[in-house]
Amino acid sequence: NAGVTQTPKFQVLKTGQSMTLQCAQDMNHEYMSWYRQDPGMGLRLIHYSVGAGITDQGEVPNGYNVSRSTTEDFPLRLLSAAPSQTSVYFCASSYSSRNTEAFFGQGTRLTVV
Amino acid sequence: GDSVTQMEGPVTLSEEAFLTINCTYTATGYPSLFWYVQYPGEGLQLLLKATKADDKGSNKGFEATYRKETTSFHLEKGSVQVSDSAVYFCALINQAGTALIFGKGTTLSVSS
Repeated sequence: NAGVTQTPKFQVLKTGQSMTLQCAQDMNHEYMSWYRQDPGMGLRLIHYSVGAGITDQGEVPNGYNVSRSTTEDFPLRLLSAAPSQTSVYFCASSYSSRNTEAFFGQGTRLTVV
Repeated sequence: GDSVTQMEGPVTLSEEAFLTINCTYTATGYPSLFWYVQYPGEGLQLLLKATKADDKGSNKGFEATYRKETTSFHLEKGSVQVSDSAVYFCALINQAGTALIFGKGTTLSVSS
């Protein structure tokens, strides 16, 4: 039972490079989301999706892009990496967005130099 | 907008001490409330939740009661263990039901 799988676990990028953080879940959850975790800031929502083909912006969407072509996958794209995007990124999924438990991946630690 | 405020850490306790981590919230209506825990090097996992006023969530010896009068959801444990060392996050579901809103997290360190 894999749950939520994120890849890679660690990544170093140069400023201006692009990359995709992968997220996959095997629980048939409709709702998926991406958060970033920064020291002293808690977790902040980047983008979310309530189902395949439907995405929306969260609190801090600038510099990130998402798509949801299948129920299982929800990749996060950094279009042109900046040092301010150095963070730990978490993907989460849940059966629905309301009242139910969110399952988190183990995170991707990204450093932009 | 919706927000969560939890006590600043770190909290340092000896094994078997009593734990309280304060959490208050601002929200429209009566959102579901959660405590998540993050062990070193791992993602977050749900510790407990409460979905309506006066509900008490409990798990692994931890408890929290949804108090609408004081808009609070304080986390308590009667006797902490070294294995409880982690970061604890208080959270709520926003009114639109589209996002978990997290507090900044409280680091707990328990020594033997």
